[in-house]
Amino acid sequence: AQSVTQLGSHVSVSEGALVLLRCNYSSSVPPYLFWYVQYPNQGLQLLLKYTTGATLVKGINGFEAEFKKSETSFHLTKPSAHMSDAAEYFCAVSEGAGTALIFGKGTTLSVSS
Amino acid sequence: GAVVSQHPSWVICKSGTSVKIECRSLDFQATTMFWYRQFPKQSLMLMATSNEGSKATYEQGVEKDKFLINHASLTLSTLTVTSAHPEDSSFYICSEKRASGSDEQFFGPGTRLTVL
Repeated sequence: AQSVTQLGSHVSVSEGALVLLRCNYSSSVPPYLFWYVQYPNQGLQLLLKYTTGATLVKGINGFEAEFKKSETSFHLTKPSAHMSDAAEYFCAVSEGAGTALIFGKGTTLSVSS
Repeated sequence: GAVVSQHPSWVICKSGTSVKIECRSLDFQATTMFWYRQFPKQSLMLMATSNEGSKATYEQGVEKDKFLINHASLTLSTLTVTSAHPEDSSFYICSEKRASGSDEQFFGPGTRLTVL
């Protein structure tokens, strides 16, 4: 069975600092990996995804993530945090195209000025 | 703009009543729809997967007689919470996969259900 572990339920950074949100997964098949962002009282928005090919994936709002098979990780990074990045971030895994997503517990990102 | 809508966005009902939540794809045909629930400050948990014209597949622990899913067309799926109880209070989110093209799933904005 697939699973996702997000280390750290809450991450706090200063504006302009590096953002690093950790995600580890387990999967018996080559995984599809996703990062979603959820702002208060809003739906999920896809930040980026990895399916096949290049392991460094660039997404919206300056975020990127790198698929590391040897570490079963898909950590999300952003070089410089902005106040508007404060939100809940979810890592998710699926077995393939169009299959259900298994979500991690989420990480709340706080950005202070 | 939004490609998946949910209605209602928030519903409050009395214990014992049934509530229907609609999930519509606005600009594409969806072959597969997923229903998730999200408890406060927790992650999304998959409840069921439905394909147009066939019965939904429920995840372990989800009562199919309590959470009725109907995927009658390629643009509409409904989730009916029957005989709702306070413990059913949650945020219900649908996602849809296009019939063709990208395999990306599109999430609805969610429906907040509060059972008194």
